[in-house]
Amino acid sequence: EDQVTQSPEALRLQEGESSSLNCSYTVSGLRGLFWYRQDPGKGPEFLFTLYSAGEEKEKERLKATLTKKESFLHITAPKPEDSATYLCAGTGTTDSWGKFQFGAGTQVVVTP
Amino acid sequence: NAGVTQTPKFRVLKTGQSMTLLCAQDMNHEYMYWYRQDPGMGLRLIHYSVGEGTTAKGEVPDGYNVSRLKKQNFLLGLESAAPSQTSVYFCASSEGHQNTEAFFGQGTRLTVV
Repeated sequence: EDQVTQSPEALRLQEGESSSLNCSYTVSGLRGLFWYRQDPGKGPEFLFTLYSAGEEKEKERLKATLTKKESFLHITAPKPEDSATYLCAGTGTTDSWGKFQFGAGTQVVVTP
Repeated sequence: NAGVTQTPKFRVLKTGQSMTLLCAQDMNHEYMYWYRQDPGMGLRLIHYSVGEGTTAKGEVPDGYNVSRLKKQNFLLGLESAAPSQTSVYFCASSEGHQNTEAFFGQGTRLTVV
């Protein structure tokens, strides 16, 4: 059965304190690994898609990387506006064909 | 460009009542999804559709039914609401390829008392 696990569950950072979020996956025939940001009371907002091990993508203070077993979301010099829950999801060729298997998310709080 | 629109945004039901949640997308997407989100459990797939007239069960389908009569609309029905169905419901759509992202609606907060 395909699974996506995120850690830690929650992360509290000082402004400017860089850190990384982990997403480990067991998705058969991974086709895409997706990162989303979710603000309270809103729907998830798409950030990145990674397709193959070794791939990296960046957007402002965020960088996502992918290995054969896990993905990391690196937050460099975060600001309070980076506070949100970050979700990862995978699509694959068997259990997750045609659908997105989500992790439970990491809640990030950045304090001034 | 509206994207994915869910109706209603909030609803309170009594146990045993029925209701339908409507999802509409204007991006001509093939695939549509209904998820529920509960604290600590992330997004769990209820039902999904890979095209007009098709539906399939997800991870937690019991107590829900869906219909996709038009490509742009995906309806989620609760025939007899239970307190365990208190949750935030999200609709999403995607182009249908395995490597393209899903776009989400703003959510419906449902409380069953």
